[in-house]
Parts: sequence; structure tokens; C-alpha cells
Amino acid sequence: NAGVTQTPKFQVLKTGQSMTLQCAQDMNHNSMYWYRQDPGMGLRLIYYSASEGTTDKGEVPNGYNVSRLNKREFSLRLESAAPSQTSVYFCASCFDRGQGYTFGSGTRLTVV
Amino acid sequence: GQQLNQSPQSMFIQEGEDVSMNCTSSSIFNTWLWYKQDPGEGPVLLIALYKAGELTSNGRLTAQFGITRKDSFLNISASIPSDVGIYFCAGHIYSGGGADGLTFGKGTHLIIQP
Repeated sequence: NAGVTQTPKFQVLKTGQSMTLQCAQDMNHNSMYWYRQDPGMGLRLIYYSASEGTTDKGEVPNGYNVSRLNKREFSLRLESAAPSQTSVYFCASCFDRGQGYTFGSGTRLTVV
Repeated sequence: GQQLNQSPQSMFIQEGEDVSMNCTSSSIFNTWLWYKQDPGEGPVLLIALYKAGELTSNGRLTAQFGITRKDSFLNISASIPSDVGIYFCAGHIYSGGGADGLTFGKGTHLIIQP
């Protein structure tokens, strides 16, 4: 079982460049989430998708967009990267809200 | 938004010692979860608690859902080197119009000295 797969694992961007972080899960989970993790800040919710066809903002959505492509895939897009978006990004999924999430192994993004 | 206060921020202990960490909130939660994160990896679920007062064990780990629904603790007995990592508490409550998703504490960094 792959669980939650994130690509790429590492990325360096120049300020103003765009990119899409990919996430796929093979557990037939309904809900998917994007978090960012910064030193001393813990994990903060960027966007989530409670079910296929829906997306909603989390705590820190500015500068990001998401797409729930189908039940398996949930992508995060940075349209114009900024140094403040340097972080580790985690995708997670669960069958039902309030249950334990399964996390991917993260994408380490540096914006220079 | 909801905030979780997790303590201690870091712990330096000897191998074989017991460990205790906790999370408190000003808001109630319906679910409390405890995760462990190893370097370079995503968090992994250790214990899930769904009922106030619930006490649940997973091997050497024991966690409790506080009766007020505003706190939870995690105990690790007889620590071993592989227990090193960052432990996160997380809480969830269904909200009508606000952002959904787990709220995470800032983590307890566990360091074990041989």
C-alpha cells in the first residue's frame, strides 16, 4: 500500500515562479488536506477538500490554490512563489473528518 | 481560531525513563489525536481518542482524553532510543462555518540520552 504519495520531494524555486505540488492517495479516503510546517509553528492548514468536488480555505490560504482532481488526487498550486512560502508541505487524507489522518512524506520547498 | 498549547516544548531524558507530555485548549474538541514525526518524514498516528475520559494504550504509549474535552496527555513508559522524535497533539471539532481540519500543537521534541 502506497498510502499518500507526494511529488516532488524537494524543489527550489525563484521568486515569482509557479509550481504545482501533487498528492495522491490510494485508500479511498473522502477528505484530503494540505498543511505547511514551519519551525516553531507546528502544522497549519492551507486548504482542504472534505469530499470530491469541494474545496475550502484553511488557516493560511493566501498565495495558494488547490484542485481536487478526483477522489484520489488533490493538488496545491503556487502561482507566484514568495520566500515566505519556503516550508515543508504535507498532504494528508482521511475517510471521515475528525478521524486520524494519513500523511505523505512531505515536499521540501525553498523559494529564493 | 482554535489553539493548542503543548508542553513541554522539548525533553531531554535518559533511556528507560518514563515520559509525559500534554496539550490544553481553551476550546473543546470531539477528537484528540497524538502523532509522532521522525526527521524527514510525515507525522504518523499513534493514538486516537474519541470520547471524553477515554484512556487508550498502544504498547508503551498511553493517552487520555480529558473529561473537560479541553486537554489530553500522552505517556511513554520505559523510553528507548527509537522513541526520539517530535510528538504532536491534534484536536478536531466539527464546525458549522469555520475551517475544518485538525488543529495541531507545536510539538514536543523528545531527545533520549543513552
